[in-house]
Amino acid sequence: GQQVMQIPQYQHVQEGEDFTTYCNSSTTLSNIQWYKQRPGGHPVFLIQLVKSGEVKKQKRLTFQFGEAKKNSSLHITATQTTDVGTYFCAGGRGATNKLIFGTGTLLAVQP
Amino acid sequence: EPEVTQTPSHQVTQMGQEVILRCVPISNHLYFYWYRQILGQKVEFLVSFYNNEISEKSEIFDDQFSVERPDGSNFTLKIRSTKLEDSAMYFCASSEENFYGYTFGSGTRLTVV
Repeated sequence: GQQVMQIPQYQHVQEGEDFTTYCNSSTTLSNIQWYKQRPGGHPVFLIQLVKSGEVKKQKRLTFQFGEAKKNSSLHITATQTTDVGTYFCAGGRGATNKLIFGTGTLLAVQP
Repeated sequence: EPEVTQTPSHQVTQMGQEVILRCVPISNHLYFYWYRQILGQKVEFLVSFYNNEISEKSEIFDDQFSVERPDGSNFTLKIRSTKLEDSAMYFCASSEENFYGYTFGSGTRLTVV
């Protein structure tokens, strides 16, 4: 079945450092979404990418969708302690918007 | 901001018992989902629901699971005979349209003992 993997599983950075998580799907995706889950919380939608090669920015966050629509990345510039949490990519395929979530990357930020 | 509401926040049940997890999606949303997350692991798809019927379900969603939208506002997940391995956080989510971002509820932590 479809698998969505993320690396790294865990990243510990000093506040102010950059952070990147990478997402890879075993199959071509129709769209990819990114979610953030704070410890003890629920996933919160960040953004959706649909087009091949698409790049979107939200303040310090930059999201990319690969040309083959099988991979994606999230880059955070100058991390802050509020960025702490697990970042999940989630890929969609087919007519229904069933999302398959990636394995997640837990980001820890040391002040 | 509109929210997806889930009740209860925590449910403890004996193995073999039936549980019903309840969700109130955002009122103008058309697509509804149940996901679960075993502690520290990834978010797993269970079922999607549109136009009063299941549109897709995963291998996890076997005959022990069922979903209903009984009254146009509530969206329920029933597990008929719970097993220890059903212990997880269950999230309800809804989206306004197909291929829109999901809004998740705060989840129900189910503990089967």
